[in-house]
Amino acid sequence: SYVLTQPPSVSVAPGQTARITCGGNNIGSKSVHWYQQKPGQAPVLVVYDDSDRPSGIPERFSGSNSGNTATLTISRVEAGDEADYYCQVWDSSSDHPGVFGTGTKVTVL
Amino acid sequence: QVQLQESGPGLVKPSETLSLTCAVSGYSISSGYYWGWIRQPPGKGLEWIGSIYHSGSTYYNPSLKSRVTISVDTSKNQFSLKLSSVTAADTAVYYCASAILLEYFDYWGQGTLVTVSS
Repeated sequence: SYVLTQPPSVSVAPGQTARITCGGNNIGSKSVHWYQQKPGQAPVLVVYDDSDRPSGIPERFSGSNSGNTATLTISRVEAGDEADYYCQVWDSSSDHPGVFGTGTKVTVL
Repeated sequence: QVQLQESGPGLVKPSETLSLTCAVSGYSISSGYYWGWIRQPPGKGLEWIGSIYHSGSTYYNPSLKSRVTISVDTSKNQFSLKLSSVTAADTAVYYCASAILLEYFDYWGQGTLVTVSS
């Protein structure tokens, strides 16, 4: 099945930019979606189809996808952005279409 | 806005069947959308279990396929998960979610912890 690899952790100071990568074979040919999960809460969709934001998600959250890496960028990081972030793809050509990344813990210093 | 709420036993014995239901409000299941189950073992990442279309078409994680059944009950506006022959490895928080276009999950339930133990 398709594998999505994320760094276990990313640390960033308030006001700075956090970049979370999601690696996969030719991931640029797929649509990537990102979720934010705070402790004890359900995941929340923050970016879908590589770079679109659901209603209510701040513009500080943006996404890109090319080659073998997709990236979620959080600009002007706030303390409230501290959470786990997961990428996800739907690989329609696979018998295991629903795939989540390994997850990245974002720590705001 | 779609709202989802999981329900079911919080404790299941090994070798028995885990059964959960997801009640949907704010949207009629029979109108469309896909519906999914995702789980998260304590301290670990997310794992997709399977998804179903309102008409009943299903997609399952092949690593669980032999033990999983997802079904829809449009009369009750809910969908369900059954996972048979459970072991301690199936202990997790189970989430139900909606997927307007199948490929991503736009609304999630709060999750329910299911522990497999005798």
